[in-house]
Amino acid sequence: AQSVTQLDSQVPVFEEAPVELRCNYSSSVSVYLFWYVQYPNQGLQLLLKYLSGSTLVKGINGFEAEFNKSQTSFHLRKPSVHISDTAEYFCAVTVGKTSYDKVIFGPGTSLSVIP
Amino acid sequence: DAMVIQNPRYQVTQFGKPVTLSCSQTLNHNVMYWYQQKSSQAPKLLFHYYDKDFNNEADTPDNFQSRRPNTSFCFLDIRSPGLGDAAMYLCATSRRGKGQPQHFGDGTRLSIL
Repeated sequence: AQSVTQLDSQVPVFEEAPVELRCNYSSSVSVYLFWYVQYPNQGLQLLLKYLSGSTLVKGINGFEAEFNKSQTSFHLRKPSVHISDTAEYFCAVTVGKTSYDKVIFGPGTSLSVIP
Repeated sequence: DAMVIQNPRYQVTQFGKPVTLSCSQTLNHNVMYWYQQKSSQAPKLLFHYYDKDFNNEADTPDNFQSRRPNTSFCFLDIRSPGLGDAAMYLCATSRRGKGQPQHFGDGTRLSIL
């Protein structure tokens, strides 16, 4: 069965410092990988996705992620965070076996940016 | 702008009193989903529609039902809400096909008195 692990439930970081949010997945078949962000009292918003091709994926708001097949990881990075990046971040995976893909979400990482 | 709209944003109901949450989309996506999200947890899929085909998750309580009268609208009915059903309910849509991302509404926060 597929699963997604986010190793850090909470990540505090000072404003303008770099941040990495870690995500590992388990799957025996090819996967599609996503990062979503959720601001308080809002729905989830897509940050970036990996389907195929270049393993370095750039997303919105200056975020990027790197797909590492051998380590089954898809870590999210930003070189300099802002206060407005404070939110919950979810890593997600879908397994492309059919034309409908069920999404498996990780438990989430709460990013707190400290002024 | 094309979007997913959920109404109401906040809903209060009494224990055992039926409640309906609504979702509409202007994206013309084939697939619509309902998720339940409790505090500090990931969204939990309740069911989804693939066009008109309804798919229930195995662990979704019988208390939860859904209707999709047309492509644009989808409803979540909770027949007899219990205290444990207090949560944020998220509607999402996606295109048909592999690797399609989901587009979420801002959710309805349901409180049970």
